[in-house]
Amino acid sequence: RKEVEQDPGPFNVPEGATVAFNCTYSNSASQSFFWYRQDCRKEPKLLMSVYSSGNEDGRFTAQLNRASQYISLLIRDSKLSDSATYLCVVRNTGFQKLVFGTGTRLLVSP
Amino acid sequence: EAGVAQSPRYKIIEKRQSVAFWCNPISGHATLYWYQQILGQGPKLLIQFQNNGVVDDSQLPKDRFSAERLKGVDSTLKIQPAKLEDSAVYLCASSLNSQDIQYFGAGTRLSVL
Repeated sequence: RKEVEQDPGPFNVPEGATVAFNCTYSNSASQSFFWYRQDCRKEPKLLMSVYSSGNEDGRFTAQLNRASQYISLLIRDSKLSDSATYLCVVRNTGFQKLVFGTGTRLLVSP
Repeated sequence: EAGVAQSPRYKIIEKRQSVAFWCNPISGHATLYWYQQILGQGPKLLIQFQNNGVVDDSQLPKDRFSAERLKGVDSTLKIQPAKLEDSAVYLCASSLNSQDIQYFGAGTRLSVL
């Protein structure tokens, strides 16, 4: 079983739609959680951190459920520029290593 | 502020050849990482340096991969000899310390024929 699992997609949505991505992690000792965005043939960039209380950044909302070991990302009012791969990432204790999921690809169409 | 610099951007080699990648992290960043990203997968950590010391190289195939960060700044990653399955993007990242945000370079895309 992979340590971080995501639905690879692709998710095809029209502009203005709301889309949600889910992610599960297997290591209960994971201490920090993130969503990264990776455009085609580009490097990953931090989109947002994920907190137990939930957090919002504009059209993006991230949620963490430690009991279920589940992370989500909600994108409201999708834009063409949101088309990218969204990587679910956890940081474990010890060496503080980041473990990436395979990513979920989002395609927003006009 | 300059980002993480990597070179070359692309490299094509034949199997059993050697190849080296170079990374210059953001100035002042003590922690440097090398990741391998195979097509369709997320990045996988190969090695983590804290200054010029290795913190974690548990996923580095040490029979063919090596990395160094001699002066605690620039780093090189070498593959010798390359195999077909080494075809991937090699990403370098750096952070102020191991708990800080990691910033990635544009990567080196390696094709092994």
